[in-house]
Amino acid sequence: DTGVSQNPRHKITKRGQNVTFRCDPISEHNRLYWYRQTLGQGPEFLTYFQNEAQLEKSRLLSDRFSAERPKGSFSTLEIQRTEQGDSAMYLCASIPGLFGRADTQYFGPGTRLTVL
Amino acid sequence: DAKTTQPTSMDCAEGRAANLPCNHSTISGNEYVYWYRQIHSQGPQYIIHGLKNNETNEMASLIITEDRKSSTLILPHATLRDTAVYYCIVRVAYGNKLVFGAGTILRVKS
Repeated sequence: DTGVSQNPRHKITKRGQNVTFRCDPISEHNRLYWYRQTLGQGPEFLTYFQNEAQLEKSRLLSDRFSAERPKGSFSTLEIQRTEQGDSAMYLCASIPGLFGRADTQYFGPGTRLTVL
Repeated sequence: DAKTTQPTSMDCAEGRAANLPCNHSTISGNEYVYWYRQIHSQGPQYIIHGLKNNETNEMASLIITEDRKSSTLILPHATLRDTAVYYCIVRVAYGNKLVFGAGTILRVKS
């Protein structure tokens, strides 16, 4: 169990550029979540996947945001035409599935995005 | 998911017990109380959860009142490394997301 990994850990970009983040969940974890956290606030839910299916998207996930999990393993979160308001920590979490200790979400270290 | 109320911040002396309260007066019968913490610049870390019985693990104890309207997370011997933001979350088991509030900033001081 190597934990949830996220890359890159830090990203600085200019307004209007596109960025993509990657999340590698714990092996064989079926559910994968994305959260966003701004300074001084708790994480806010963005979306989650059950295997490759995206089952829920928050209203926070505007049409500039897209998330994929093509093979049910790693996931990517892309932000197009970044805005300064997108500056935040983007967190990924995974859980094994529906049974067992399924409900403990294991979080990655996050990707900190700064939009200049 | 029911809403929770936590103090904004607390201080605790190193080596002493840290008792972090959480109010959840609108909790439903099928909702659990979860605690996570977030150390600076890291992702949140699961601590413990419970339904109505008190729970204990290697990290902490969770005391839930009989009416389930409030709970207390206890770190029995706080260390400097326990300085973090602690989140109390109420939700159904196997729910599809965690809803975080602002949490309690716990500062452990030597």
